Amino acid sequence: QLQLQESGPGLVKPSETLSLTCTVSGGSISSPGYYWGWIRQPPGKGLEWIGSIYYTGSAYYNPSLQSRVTISVDTSKNQFSLKVISVTAADTAVYYCATDTQTAAGNNWFDPWGQGTLVTVSS
Amino acid sequence: SFELTQPPSVSVSPGQTASITCSGDKLGDKYACWYQQKPGQSPVLVIYEDNKRPSGIPERFSGSNSGNTATLTISGTQAMDEADYYCQAWDSGTTYVVFGGGTRLTVL
Repeated sequence: QLQLQESGPGLVKPSETLSLTCTVSGGSISSPGYYWGWIRQPPGKGLEWIGSIYYTGSAYYNPSLQSRVTISVDTSKNQFSLKVISVTAADTAVYYCATDTQTAAGNNWFDPWGQGTLVTVSS
Repeated sequence: SFELTQPPSVSVSPGQTASITCSGDKLGDKYACWYQQKPGQSPVLVIYEDNKRPSGIPERFSGSNSGNTATLTISGTQAMDEADYYCQAWDSGTTYVVFGGGTRLTVL
């Protein structure tokens, strides 16, 4: 059974770069048909998809964040990572990683999710 | 851009049926899925591909999707179902994943 775990700093200064890693266990990040996604949730607000990546490195992003976001994958470590540059207080959120199952029919869903990690942007 | 709209809140009495809607332009032409999120916890997938239940999700959870509206139905609602529920779809034209704003279900 797949399990995902986020890790990274809980506090980032404004204008700096937010970096998080998601470690996948219980299966291979190179499994066909699975993408790997990042979703965030500001305190008290709803879910916002950030982007998803395939083990080949092919990634797609939320257009509203694309200019500041990079998602990468390290198959040797069974990990994928998120970087958000030039952060502001608006980037304060719980960041989740999740398995992004996509089908040939053109749909997707996220399952399972990691436990989430709170990242606060503050000086 | 493609958007999904949910009512902010829905209330239901224990044992009754709760319906939570999710509206979007021609949503019925896409697939919808639903997540349950309890306070302090990660979201959990409860419905995918409009009406399929993942393993371990009770049969009282069901889904439908037609026209511009997807609906999550909880039959015989229990106190443990009190949570926030989010719909989600994939706009294949833009490869853009969209979440609804979320609905807080209160079991009174």
